[in-house]
Amino acid sequence: AQSVAQPEDQVNVAEGNPLTVKCTYSVSGNPYLFWYVQYPNRGLQFLLKYITGDNLVKGSYGFEAEFNKSQTSFHLKKPSALVSDSALYFCAVRARSYYGNNRLAFGKGNQVVVIP
Amino acid sequence: SAVISQKPSRDICQRGTSLTIQCQVDSQVTMMFWYRQQPGQSLTLIATANQGSEATYESGFVIDKFPISRPNLTFSTLTVSNMSPEDSSIYLCSAPSGGSDTQYFGPGTRLTVL
Repeated sequence: AQSVAQPEDQVNVAEGNPLTVKCTYSVSGNPYLFWYVQYPNRGLQFLLKYITGDNLVKGSYGFEAEFNKSQTSFHLKKPSALVSDSALYFCAVRARSYYGNNRLAFGKGNQVVVIP
Repeated sequence: SAVISQKPSRDICQRGTSLTIQCQVDSQVTMMFWYRQQPGQSLTLIATANQGSEATYESGFVIDKFPISRPNLTFSTLTVSNMSPEDSSIYLCSAPSGGSDTQYFGPGTRLTVL
């Protein structure tokens, strides 16, 4: 079964500094990887995904993530954090198998706090 | 991307009652998913709802407690039955956007059981 680890509970970063949110995964075969963001009292918003191709994927709001197959990681990054980036971030993975289902496995989530 | 709406957005209910949550997708989708997010926790899949067949429930979730309807390709309901305070959570529905690999989520229903 697929699983995701987000090792940190909270990530604190000063506004304007680089932001990194870590994610490692476990899945049989090649993965589909996703990042979602949840603002207070809101649902999940899709940020970006890795399906195939270039290991560096770019998404919404200036975020990007790098797929590293050897380290089974998919860390989320932003070069310069904004106070408005303060939110809960979820990494998710599912297997690519055509015969599997589309069940997504989510990490526990990381609270990002951007300090003005 | 799919646009997904849910009703109600929030509710406060008494122990022992039931609440039905509605989910509407702006396009036809084969699969819809229902998740629970308990306070301070990640998302847990409750069940997968396919149109024209019974929902498939994950371990720990049963149809008597969480009956699901899927009458057509754009709509689904989740009922939380015989509620207790432990059912206080955010309930989210999700669907892929027509052929897309990406699941999109509704805004969630915040349920408080007293």
